Amino acid sequence: DIQMTQSPSSLSASVGDRVTITCRASQGISTYLAWFQQRPGKAPKSLIYAASTLQSGVPSKFSGSGSGTDFTLTISSLQPEDFATYYCQQYSSYPHSFGGGTKVEIK
Amino acid sequence: QITLTESGPTLVKPTETLTLTCTLSGSSIRTTGVGVGWIRQPPGRALEWLAVIYWDDDKAYRPSLKSRLTVTKDTFRNQVVLTMTKMDPVDTATYYCAHIPDYYGSGRRFGNWGQGALVTVSS
Repeated sequence: DIQMTQSPSSLSASVGDRVTITCRASQGISTYLAWFQQRPGKAPKSLIYAASTLQSGVPSKFSGSGSGTDFTLTISSLQPEDFATYYCQQYSSYPHSFGGGTKVEIK
Repeated sequence: QITLTESGPTLVKPTETLTLTCTLSGSSIRTTGVGVGWIRQPPGRALEWLAVIYWDDDKAYRPSLKSRLTVTKDTFRNQVVLTMTKMDPVDTATYYCAHIPDYYGSGRRFGNWGQGALVTVSS
Protein backbone atom coordinates (compact mmCIF):
# COMPACT_ATOMS: atom_id res chain seq x y z
CA ASP A 1 0.00 0.00 0.00
CA ILE A 2 1.09 3.58 -0.63
CA GLN A 3 1.41 5.62 2.57
CA MET A 4 0.51 9.31 2.46
CA THR A 5 2.16 11.55 5.04
CA GLN A 6 0.94 15.09 5.62
CA SER A 7 2.78 17.82 7.46
CA PRO A 8 2.17 19.56 9.65
CA SER A 9 -0.64 17.68 11.40
CA SER A 10 -1.95 21.01 12.63
CA LEU A 11 -1.11 24.67 12.31
CA SER A 12 -2.30 27.99 13.68
CA ALA A 13 -2.62 30.91 11.33
CA SER A 14 -4.25 34.32 11.12
CA VAL A 15 -6.78 35.66 8.65
CA GLY A 16 -4.87 36.85 5.60
CA ASP A 17 -1.93 34.49 6.09
CA ARG A 18 -0.49 32.35 3.32
CA VAL A 19 -0.49 28.70 4.31
CA THR A 20 1.27 25.71 2.77
CA ILE A 21 0.53 22.06 3.54
CA THR A 22 2.79 19.24 2.40
CA CYS A 23 1.88 15.72 1.38
CA ARG A 24 4.43 13.00 0.69
CA ALA A 25 3.75 9.62 -0.94
CA SER A 26 5.79 6.56 0.00
CA GLN A 27 6.28 5.84 -3.69
CA GLY A 28 5.80 7.73 -6.93
CA ILE A 29 2.20 8.50 -7.89
CA SER A 30 2.78 10.80 -10.87
CA THR A 31 0.11 13.51 -10.44
CA TYR A 32 -2.69 11.22 -9.19
CA LEU A 33 -3.18 13.37 -6.11
CA ALA A 34 -6.28 15.10 -4.78
CA TRP A 35 -6.90 17.55 -1.94
CA PHE A 36 -10.08 17.79 0.14
CA GLN A 37 -11.35 20.27 2.73
CA GLN A 38 -13.46 19.08 5.64
CA ARG A 39 -15.19 21.52 7.94
CA PRO A 40 -16.33 20.25 11.37
CA GLY A 41 -19.34 17.98 11.13
CA LYS A 42 -19.42 18.15 7.35
CA ALA A 43 -18.52 15.86 4.47
CA PRO A 44 -15.20 16.38 2.67
CA LYS A 45 -15.25 18.72 -0.29
CA SER A 46 -13.05 18.33 -3.35
CA LEU A 47 -10.60 21.21 -3.88
CA ILE A 48 -7.95 19.99 -6.30
CA TYR A 49 -7.31 16.89 -8.39
CA ALA A 50 -4.48 15.81 -10.69
CA ALA A 51 -2.20 17.60 -8.21
CA SER A 52 -2.93 21.08 -9.55
CA THR A 53 -6.35 21.18 -11.26
CA LEU A 54 -8.88 23.26 -9.38
CA GLN A 55 -12.28 21.66 -8.91
CA SER A 56 -15.03 23.69 -10.55
CA GLY A 57 -16.34 26.38 -8.21
CA VAL A 58 -13.32 26.36 -5.89
CA PRO A 59 -11.76 29.82 -5.44
CA SER A 60 -8.38 30.49 -6.99
CA LYS A 61 -6.81 31.23 -3.60
CA PHE A 62 -6.32 27.46 -3.44
CA SER A 63 -3.50 26.01 -5.49
CA GLY A 64 -1.69 22.70 -5.69
CA SER A 65 1.64 21.58 -7.06
CA GLY A 66 3.97 18.62 -7.20
CA SER A 67 4.47 15.29 -8.90
CA GLY A 68 6.03 11.97 -8.07
CA THR A 69 6.20 11.83 -4.27
CA ASP A 70 6.05 15.43 -3.02
CA PHE A 71 3.01 17.70 -3.18
CA THR A 72 1.83 20.96 -1.68
CA LEU A 73 -1.48 22.71 -1.13
CA THR A 74 -1.29 26.48 -0.74
CA ILE A 75 -3.99 28.85 0.47
CA SER A 76 -2.94 32.32 -0.58
CA SER A 77 -4.92 34.38 1.93
CA LEU A 78 -6.72 32.59 4.73
CA GLN A 79 -10.30 33.57 5.36
CA PRO A 80 -12.52 32.51 8.28
CA GLU A 81 -14.26 29.86 6.16
CA ASP A 82 -10.91 28.21 5.37
CA PHE A 83 -10.33 27.05 8.92
CA ALA A 84 -10.86 23.32 8.49
CA THR A 85 -9.01 20.03 8.12
CA TYR A 86 -7.34 19.28 4.80
CA TYR A 87 -6.64 15.81 3.42
CA CYS A 88 -4.57 14.61 0.51
CA GLN A 89 -5.41 11.37 -1.30
CA GLN A 90 -3.56 9.34 -3.89
CA TYR A 91 -5.56 7.59 -6.58
CA SER A 92 -2.65 6.03 -8.44
CA SER A 93 -3.03 2.51 -7.05
CA TYR A 94 -5.40 0.65 -4.75
CA PRO A 95 -6.16 1.19 -1.96
CA HIS A 96 -6.55 4.90 -2.71
CA SER A 97 -5.10 6.07 0.59
CA PHE A 98 -5.59 9.38 2.40
CA GLY A 99 -3.13 11.35 4.42
CA GLY A 100 -3.65 11.84 8.13
CA GLY A 101 -5.01 15.35 7.72
CA THR A 102 -3.84 18.87 8.55
CA LYS A 103 -6.02 20.91 10.88
CA VAL A 104 -5.83 24.63 10.19
CA GLU A 105 -6.82 26.60 13.27
CA ILE A 106 -7.23 30.27 14.06
CA LYS A 107 -4.31 31.91 15.82
CA GLN B 1 -26.30 18.96 -9.86
CA ILE B 2 -24.88 15.67 -8.64
CA THR B 3 -25.95 14.51 -5.20
CA LEU B 4 -25.31 11.33 -3.25
CA THR B 5 -27.33 10.18 -0.26
CA GLU B 6 -26.29 7.41 2.11
CA SER B 7 -28.92 5.43 3.96
CA GLY B 8 -28.89 2.52 6.35
CA PRO B 9 -28.96 1.63 10.04
CA THR B 10 -27.45 3.96 12.61
CA LEU B 11 -26.84 1.16 15.10
CA VAL B 12 -25.68 -2.41 14.51
CA LYS B 13 -24.68 -5.10 16.96
CA PRO B 14 -21.28 -6.78 17.00
CA THR B 15 -21.01 -9.70 14.54
CA GLU B 16 -23.94 -8.37 12.49
CA THR B 17 -23.77 -7.39 8.82
CA LEU B 18 -24.00 -3.72 7.83
CA THR B 19 -25.76 -2.77 4.61
CA LEU B 20 -25.49 0.81 3.38
CA THR B 21 -27.08 2.25 0.25
CA CYS B 22 -25.84 5.21 -1.75
CA THR B 23 -28.44 6.79 -4.03
CA LEU B 24 -27.01 8.79 -6.91
CA SER B 25 -28.85 11.73 -8.45
CA GLY B 26 -27.77 13.89 -11.39
CA SER B 27 -25.48 11.16 -12.75
CA SER B 28 -26.06 7.57 -13.84
CA ILE B 29 -24.02 4.63 -12.63
CA ARG B 30 -24.57 3.22 -16.14
CA THR B 31 -22.67 6.07 -17.80
CA THR B 32 -19.26 5.12 -19.15
CA GLY B 33 -16.56 6.44 -16.86
CA VAL B 34 -18.69 6.84 -13.74
CA GLY B 35 -17.84 5.21 -10.45
CA VAL B 36 -18.87 5.37 -6.79
CA GLY B 37 -16.53 4.85 -3.89
CA TRP B 38 -16.97 4.25 -0.15
CA ILE B 39 -14.90 5.93 2.52
CA ARG B 40 -15.24 5.88 6.31
CA GLN B 41 -14.10 8.12 9.13
CA PRO B 42 -14.00 6.97 12.78
CA PRO B 43 -14.88 9.76 15.22
CA GLY B 44 -12.04 12.27 15.42
CA ARG B 45 -9.87 10.36 12.99
CA ALA B 46 -8.76 10.45 9.36
CA LEU B 47 -10.52 9.26 6.22
CA GLU B 48 -10.12 5.64 5.17
CA TRP B 49 -10.79 4.42 1.63
CA LEU B 50 -12.84 1.21 1.57
CA ALA B 51 -14.04 0.22 -1.88
CA VAL B 52 -15.12 1.37 -5.34
CA ILE B 53 -17.35 0.16 -8.17
CA TYR B 54 -17.47 1.41 -11.75
CA TRP B 55 -20.03 1.57 -14.54
CA ASP B 56 -18.62 -1.61 -16.07
CA ASP B 57 -18.89 -3.46 -12.73
CA ASP B 58 -15.14 -3.34 -12.13
CA LYS B 59 -14.50 -3.25 -8.37
CA ALA B 60 -11.69 -2.82 -5.88
CA TYR B 61 -11.48 -3.27 -2.11
CA ARG B 62 -9.24 -2.28 0.74
CA PRO B 63 -7.04 -5.37 1.11
CA SER B 64 -7.24 -5.50 4.92
CA LEU B 65 -11.06 -5.55 4.74
CA LYS B 66 -11.57 -7.40 1.48
CA SER B 67 -12.92 -10.57 3.11
CA ARG B 68 -15.66 -8.54 4.84
CA LEU B 69 -16.67 -6.09 2.09
CA THR B 70 -18.93 -6.41 -0.92
CA VAL B 71 -19.96 -3.56 -3.23
CA THR B 72 -22.71 -3.92 -5.81
CA LYS B 73 -24.79 -1.63 -7.98
CA ASP B 74 -28.46 -1.48 -8.88
CA THR B 75 -28.56 0.27 -12.23
CA PHE B 76 -32.36 0.44 -12.25
CA ARG B 77 -32.50 2.34 -8.97
CA ASN B 78 -29.18 4.12 -9.62
CA GLN B 79 -27.86 2.94 -6.29
CA VAL B 80 -24.65 1.45 -4.96
CA VAL B 81 -24.75 -0.90 -1.97
CA LEU B 82 -21.94 -1.64 0.47
CA THR B 83 -22.13 -4.62 2.79
CA MET B 84 -19.68 -5.22 5.60
CA THR B 85 -19.86 -8.45 7.57
CA LYS B 86 -18.80 -9.24 11.12
CA MET B 87 -19.14 -5.71 12.42
CA ASP B 88 -17.08 -4.77 15.45
CA PRO B 89 -17.06 -1.67 17.69
CA VAL B 90 -13.88 -0.51 15.93
CA ASP B 91 -15.99 -0.18 12.76
CA THR B 92 -17.93 2.66 14.36
CA ALA B 93 -17.56 5.52 11.91
CA THR B 94 -19.24 7.91 9.53
CA TYR B 95 -19.51 6.15 6.18
CA TYR B 96 -19.43 8.27 3.03
CA CYS B 97 -20.04 7.49 -0.60
CA ALA B 98 -18.39 9.64 -3.25
CA HIS B 99 -18.79 10.10 -7.01
CA ILE B 100 -16.12 9.46 -9.63
CA PRO B 101 -17.29 11.63 -12.53
CA ASP B 102 -15.07 10.59 -15.40
CA TYR B 103 -12.61 7.73 -15.13
CA TYR B 104 -11.23 8.38 -18.62
CA GLY B 105 -11.11 12.19 -18.42
CA SER B 106 -9.84 12.82 -14.91
CA GLY B 107 -8.98 9.42 -13.51
CA ARG B 108 -10.34 7.71 -10.42
CA ARG B 109 -10.64 10.92 -8.45
CA PHE B 110 -13.63 11.76 -6.24
CA GLY B 111 -15.85 14.72 -7.02
CA ASN B 112 -19.07 15.09 -5.01
CA TRP B 113 -19.57 13.33 -1.68
CA GLY B 114 -22.66 12.31 0.22
CA GLN B 115 -23.41 13.85 3.61
CA GLY B 116 -22.32 10.68 5.41
CA ALA B 117 -24.04 8.13 7.61
CA LEU B 118 -22.91 7.60 11.20
CA VAL B 119 -22.92 3.91 12.10
CA THR B 120 -22.38 2.86 15.70
CA VAL B 121 -21.48 -0.72 16.54
CA SER B 122 -22.61 -1.62 20.03
CA SER B 123 -24.51 -4.32 21.84
